[in-house]
Amino acid sequence: EVQLVESGGGLIQPGGSLRLSCAASGFTISNYYMSWVRQVPGKGLECVSNLYIRDSIYYADSVKGRFTISRDSSKNTLYLQMNSLRAEDTGIYYCARGGWHSDFDYWGQGTLVTVSS
Amino acid sequence: DIQVTQSPSSVSASVGDRVTITCRASQDISGWLAWYQQKPGKAPKLLIYAVSTLVSGVPSRFSGSGSGTDFTLTISSLQPEDFATYYCQQANSFPLTFGGGTKVEIK
Repeated sequence: EVQLVESGGGLIQPGGSLRLSCAASGFTISNYYMSWVRQVPGKGLECVSNLYIRDSIYYADSVKGRFTISRDSSKNTLYLQMNSLRAEDTGIYYCARGGWHSDFDYWGQGTLVTVSS
Repeated sequence: DIQVTQSPSSVSASVGDRVTITCRASQDISGWLAWYQQKPGKAPKLLIYAVSTLVSGVPSRFSGSGSGTDFTLTISSLQPEDFATYYCQQANSFPLTFGGGTKVEIK
């Protein structure tokens, strides 16, 4: 059974850093496109970063230069390092399998990031 | 960037009603269009991919159609468990973008 379990969210002050983790089971993440999608509570969905099979990476303009996506194949885990956090980064962050030219067929339960002083 | 515009933003309907949601992309997305259902407090769930292919286990009352820039999600006979927010999403080019969502509410 495919499962994605996020962790690492929390309350952080503006300018701070957080690292989100997404532990995958039931498949090997290095064989799939993997993505981070965020949602401001009560609002729509934004794809913030994607990591592809040949290690090509995409970032939304809103997070470029501040966020870094990576994976540890030995742990079958996807990460999102978030630096210089801003209030507008507040939201629920979902890990999802899929990306360019593929749908997001599996999602984690989400982890809430709140950036506030 | 490809803009994805969904309409309506909300719809009130009764059990048994036929509901249609439209999604328009700002340029041809070559069939890379998916639909998701989201219930409060839950992650989105994939319903339909590649415009019209139903995910295994999704009831046949859901259907998708369209081509080029214009797409439609239809629920043929609304059931109580279908009240939720629906999103379309294009996967043709970066940035991958979602429509703004359509909330299907009980009339």
